Amino acid sequence: DAGVTQSPTHLIKTRGQQVTLRCSPKSGHDTVSWYQQALGQGPQFIFQYYEEEERQRGNFPDRFSGHQFPNYSSELNVNALLLGDSALYLCASSLYVSGNQPQHFGDGTRLSIL
Amino acid sequence: GEDVEQSLFLSVREGDSSVINCTYTDSSSTYLYWYKQEPGAGLQLLTYIFSNMDMKQDQRLTVLLNKKDKHLSLRIADTQTGDSAIYFCAERSIGGTYKYIFGTGTRLKVLA
Repeated sequence: DAGVTQSPTHLIKTRGQQVTLRCSPKSGHDTVSWYQQALGQGPQFIFQYYEEEERQRGNFPDRFSGHQFPNYSSELNVNALLLGDSALYLCASSLYVSGNQPQHFGDGTRLSIL
Repeated sequence: GEDVEQSLFLSVREGDSSVINCTYTDSSSTYLYWYKQEPGAGLQLLTYIFSNMDMKQDQRLTVLLNKKDKHLSLRIADTQTGDSAIYFCAERSIGGTYKYIFGTGTRLKVLA
């Protein structure tokens, strides 16, 4: 039973570029959430996708956007990269209707901005 | 507003018990979670508790919840060197929101 998988593992970009990160949810899950974890901090919620729609959004600018596909996988896109976007980006999946079941996290994509 | 606080560091000797503490501010009914993060890895779910429970035990892990004081603790019995990691407390409010609010994490160091 595959857990949450994310790709790529590491990524290096320069300021102003754009990046796309990918996530496949745990088998049986239909909801994907994205978090940003800066060095030495706890994860911060970016947004959540269910039924291919953004259901909830955290305090992140419009440069951060996402998409969910019919197979429940998801992408996180960040435009006009800033140095401050350097972080570990974590994807978490869950089952939407089962509100008491916890989110399961992937190992993340570490994004470095030069 | 929503906030979760944890102490930054904890050091214990191998074989002793570890107690990691967390306080939260949201007074609505909520789920509370403990995750473990090892270097270079994502978050591993350890256990979780709903706010109508006082205690939950799972093998070496015991979670205690004081809802009046909004205080959560994770006790690890017989702590091993493999337990060295960062431990995150997180809360989720019921009622229209599914985002988790995380603390800054407690770094546990287990001394042999």
